[in-house]
Amino acid sequence: QVQLVESGGGVVQPGGSLRLSCAASGFTFSSREMHWLRQAPGKGLEWVAIISSDGTYKNYANSVKGRLTISRDNSKNTVDLQMNSLRPEDSALYYCARDISGSYSVDYWGQGTLVTVSS
Amino acid sequence: QSALTQPPSASGSPGQSVTISCTGTSSDVGGYNFVSWYQQHPGKAPKLMIYEVSKRPSGVPDRFSGSKSGNTASLTVSGLQAEDEADYYCSSFAGSPWVFGGGTKLTVL
Repeated sequence: QVQLVESGGGVVQPGGSLRLSCAASGFTFSSREMHWLRQAPGKGLEWVAIISSDGTYKNYANSVKGRLTISRDNSKNTVDLQMNSLRPEDSALYYCARDISGSYSVDYWGQGTLVTVSS
Repeated sequence: QSALTQPPSASGSPGQSVTISCTGTSSDVGGYNFVSWYQQHPGKAPKLMIYEVSKRPSGVPDRFSGSKSGNTASLTVSGLQAEDEADYYCSSFAGSPWVFGGGTKLTVL
């Protein structure tokens, strides 16, 4: 079955960096676009970034553009999110999710990894 | 402020039907047939319930249906059951980024 397992979350000071990783299994990873989304505590969902199946296309929410970078390794079935210049408003539960292919929707989500940006 | 507007709450009794609206603009909901709905129980990851306005993933009960008229999409839950009590979020393709609604808390009375 499809599994997505995020890791790498933690507490970081404003201006700091963190790298999140998502390990995928149960499907042909190299054929699917992947996403990162986030949810601040008690708040709604926010789409963060997308990467194409071969890694050549990437796009970001305006709120994170220039600070967060999505990447993937199809040989390891992982998708990462490098987070630099972190701000308190980046504090959230970060979810990795699988694209449903051609429908601008995600059909499987991980359980999330928590990022807290605080001094 | 969320890009898509949802009512903060909705409610219904078991067996009843309830409809949740999601209002956007011609740049998102009205411009594309790529509206999705997600269900989220407390402490859990979201679950896809509807995609492409009205399609249901396998395993989602047919009590859940989606529709769209102009700039407003709707999720209807028929035959309400206790386990339907959750937060529901709509999302739409908006050219490049995706946009989400602020969420609706559905209470089964």
